[in-house]
Amino acid sequence: NAGVTQTPKFRILKIGQSMTLQCAQDMNHNYMYWYRQDPGMGLKLIYYSVGAGITDKGEVPNGYNVSRSTTEDFPLRLELAAPSQTSVYFCASRPGHYSNQPQHFGDGTRLSIL
Amino acid sequence: AQKITQTQPGMFVQEKEAVTLDCTYDTSDQSYGLFWYKQPSSGEMIFLIYQGSYDEQNATEGRYSLNFQKARKSANLVISASQLGDSAMYFCAMREGRIQGAQKLVFGQGTRLTINP
Repeated sequence: NAGVTQTPKFRILKIGQSMTLQCAQDMNHNYMYWYRQDPGMGLKLIYYSVGAGITDKGEVPNGYNVSRSTTEDFPLRLELAAPSQTSVYFCASRPGHYSNQPQHFGDGTRLSIL
Repeated sequence: AQKITQTQPGMFVQEKEAVTLDCTYDTSDQSYGLFWYKQPSSGEMIFLIYQGSYDEQNATEGRYSLNFQKARKSANLVISASQLGDSAMYFCAMREGRIQGAQKLVFGQGTRLTINP
């Protein structure tokens, strides 16, 4: 049981480049999330999805886009990378409708924009 | 707007001692929940414990317990009999709104706990 899988684990981008961070879960979870964690800080919600075809903005969505065409996958797209997007990105999922169920996190993607 | 405050940037504790990590929150919602996560140096986020605003008892999970004081808006994590493997960053997070919802979490800045042998 792989859980939440994020790829790549590390990436260096140049300013202005684009890339997609991949996130896949094999637990048939309805809810998926993307967070960023800046050095010495807590996580901040970028986007989330309550099911295939449904996404919504979190606290810090600017500069990012998401899509959810299947239950399993929730990719995060950076269109024009900026140094302010240097961060560790976490994808998470949780099973159902009840908000007491914890989110399961992937291992993170460490992204540097130079 | 909801807010989580963790006022202890770092804590140092002797092995086998109990430790309390502070978390205060601000919300105008009557229905909310509080989570604690552990982040070891390897970077993954590990769920520890959950407390709902309507739960009558303080949550416990093994060596972890939550000292929930609703009137003071605090949800402190208590780790009993600390172990070297407890050394990590600890994050308090809150979800607001009805229990059947998207669970958009707001995280505190974290407390770095170091257990000394």
